[in-house]
Amino acid sequence: GENVEQHPSTLSVQEGDSAVIKCTYSDSASNYFPWYKQELGKGPQLIIDIRSNVGEKKDQRIAVTLNKTAKHFSLHITETQPEDSAVYFCATKGAWGSNTGKLIFGQGTTLQVKP
Amino acid sequence: GAVVSQHPSWVICKSGTSVKIECRSLDFQATTMFWYRQFPKQSLMLMATSNEGSKATYEQGVEKDKFLINHASLTLSTLTVTSAHPEDSSFYICSARDPYGYTFGSGTRLTVV
Repeated sequence: GENVEQHPSTLSVQEGDSAVIKCTYSDSASNYFPWYKQELGKGPQLIIDIRSNVGEKKDQRIAVTLNKTAKHFSLHITETQPEDSAVYFCATKGAWGSNTGKLIFGQGTTLQVKP
Repeated sequence: GAVVSQHPSWVICKSGTSVKIECRSLDFQATTMFWYRQFPKQSLMLMATSNEGSKATYEQGVEKDKFLINHASLTLSTLTVTSAHPEDSSFYICSARDPYGYTFGSGTRLTVV
């Protein structure tokens, strides 16, 4: 079935540095790739997403890149701040069989930004 | 943007009792909602897909008689944990398909004592 692998599981950076989280997926028909930020005790919050007709999308300090040929996409956070510390999840939208319309999540990355 | 309201944010109940969690889409109609369960330091595990006006579709291994889902209107889905036991203690999160993508509720921390 559909699988999403996310790396690294933990990431520690110094304030001001960049952070990159990568995900690979198996379903070549997937066409929607969101990234969520989850703070402790809260639900996931969408921070950026990309659809399969574009290769890159940027929103201020956050960017997502998509390589459909290689079936991987990445989250890039520049000029990190302590408030960026959280757990980040990538996801893909299932496009076939019983996974159609469902979000398939990666395992999550705990990002720590040290002041 | 789309807003999903989930209540309660936390609940403590005694073993053997039932608990209902509500998930509402506030500014859009949600024909499809999803219920997830999340254990500490783990990813979200999809429990079931809830479609308005029809029976929910449960993921493999999820007991449908234990986790009752009702989606009677285009803005409300409920999850009822029946005869709760300590092993049901977890963080439950709902999500709704909105016109643009998927929006999540704030989650419910269930503790069964």
